[in-house]
Amino acid sequence: DTEVTQTPKHLVMGMTNKKSLKCEQHMGHRAMYWYKQKAKKPPELMFVYSYEKLSINESVPSRFSPECPNSSLLNLHLHALQPEDSALYLCASSQEEGLNNEQFFGPGTRLTVL
Amino acid sequence: GESVGLHLPTLSVQEGDNSIINCAYSNSASDYFIWYKQESGKGPQFIIDIRSNMDKRQGQRVTVLLNKTVKHLSLQIAATQPGDSAVYFCAENIDSGGSNYKLTFGKGTLLTVNP
Repeated sequence: DTEVTQTPKHLVMGMTNKKSLKCEQHMGHRAMYWYKQKAKKPPELMFVYSYEKLSINESVPSRFSPECPNSSLLNLHLHALQPEDSALYLCASSQEEGLNNEQFFGPGTRLTVL
Repeated sequence: GESVGLHLPTLSVQEGDNSIINCAYSNSASDYFIWYKQESGKGPQFIIDIRSNMDKRQGQRVTVLLNKTVKHLSLQIAATQPGDSAVYFCAENIDSGGSNYKLTFGKGTLLTVNP
C-alpha cells in the first residue's frame, strides 16, 4: 500500500460546527503532515508530527487541533471555523521528518465553511 | 481573502514539444529540492528530486537542473503529452531549527498541453 487516504473528500460546515478530518497511511512512515491550500496557491504547512509527537506548529489558530492517535493515523479537529478557512486540506507522510525525505500526499479534503 | 485577478504563471505548449518550467528559490542553505505535479482535484504528486550536491538529475522524460549560484531550479519535460497538463510546484526543504525540516512550495506554474 503506497498511498495516503483522506476522508471525507468534501465537507461543508457552519461556523458553530465541530468536525474532524482524517488521514491514514500504511507505508510505515513515521512523519505526517497537514497542509492548507487555497485556490491557485501552493500548499502551506500547518503541522508536522514525528513519531506521533507534534514537531512543528506553524502558528496555526487554535480552532484547528491536530491529533496523532497512532503512527498510521492523523486527525485534524475543527471547531468554530471562519469562512476564510475554506480550502483544500492536504495530508502527507514521509519515512522520517528531516532532510531528503520524500513526502507522499493524499488527495485532500475540500472544506467549505458557511 | 484572495486577491481578485490573481493568476498562476502559465505555460502553454503543443503536444510533443519539450517544456521548461522555472523556479527561483529563496534560501541559499536549502539542501533538497522536489518538483511536484498537481492535477485538478488531486494532491501533489512527486515527480523528481535533487540534492544540493548535484546540478542535474534525470528521470523518465523529466530532467531537473539546479543552479545554486543564482538559486534557480528548472524542470524539463520531454515530448510533453496532454496528461502532463497540471500545476507544477517546486519545493525546497528548509531547516526550521532544531533539526525540524519543512517543505516550502514555490508559487506554481500551470502547464497546458494542446493536442
